[in-house]
Amino acid sequence: SQTIHQWPATLVQPVGSPLSLECTVEGTSNPNLYWYRQAAGRGLQLLFYSVGIGQISSEVPQNLSASRPQDRQFILSSKKLLLSDSGFYLCACTRDRVADTQYFGPGTRLTVL
Amino acid sequence: EDQVTQSPEALRLQEGESSSLNCSYTVSGLRGLFWYRQDPGKGPEFLFTLYSAGEEKEKERLKATLTKKESFLHITAPKPEDSATYLCAVRSNAGGTSYGKLTFGQGTILTVHP
Repeated sequence: SQTIHQWPATLVQPVGSPLSLECTVEGTSNPNLYWYRQAAGRGLQLLFYSVGIGQISSEVPQNLSASRPQDRQFILSSKKLLLSDSGFYLCACTRDRVADTQYFGPGTRLTVL
Repeated sequence: EDQVTQSPEALRLQEGESSSLNCSYTVSGLRGLFWYRQDPGKGPEFLFTLYSAGEEKEKERLKATLTKKESFLHITAPKPEDSATYLCAVRSNAGGTSYGKLTFGQGTILTVHP
C-alpha cells in the first residue's frame, strides 16, 4: 500500500519569505499527485494536480506554484508568502494513473506571521 | 459546478447511540463518491468509495450508502474513538480519467461521549 511523507510537519514563516513544502510517495507507480489546502473550519480546496513528471495544472490563481521533478515527488513553493497562505497543506496521491481513490499524507501546518 | 453539502455540521452522540450523517451532492455525472475520516491535526483517512446508486459498503461500525442525490454514513453503536470529522467528496466524469479532482463538503464533526 502507498505511504505519503510530507515535511516539514509544522512551519512558521514571516510574510514575504519563500516557501518549499515537499511530498514524497512510496508504494505506488505513476501516481496522480495533488496539493490541497484546508483553512480552519473549512473544507479542502484543490490547489494543484499532476499526472506526470513536469506536468502541473493549477486550480486557482494564487501566490503558489508546484513542481514534480520525479515521479513520486511533489513540491509546493512560493517566492513571497502572504498572510492568506496560512493553512493546513495536504498532499494526496492515487495508486496509479487511472485509480479514483486519493490517499492523503499527514499534512503541513503553515502559519504566516 | 460540482457541489457537496454535509449535514449536520456537528453531531454529539452518547456511546452506543446509532445515527447517520448526510452528504448531498450535485455533480455533472458522478464518477465516484468518497468518505474520509479526519482526526484533528492529521490528514484525511480514506474510508469508502461508492460508484453507483444502491451501492453499500461497510467497515466495522460504519456503513455507507449511495442514492442518485445523496449518501449516508451510518454509525452503529458508536464508541468514543469514532469521534472525528467525517468528510464527503465527489468526483465527476468531467476532465478526463486522469484529472481526478475531488470536490469536498465542509464535513461533519462527530463527538461520541462515553
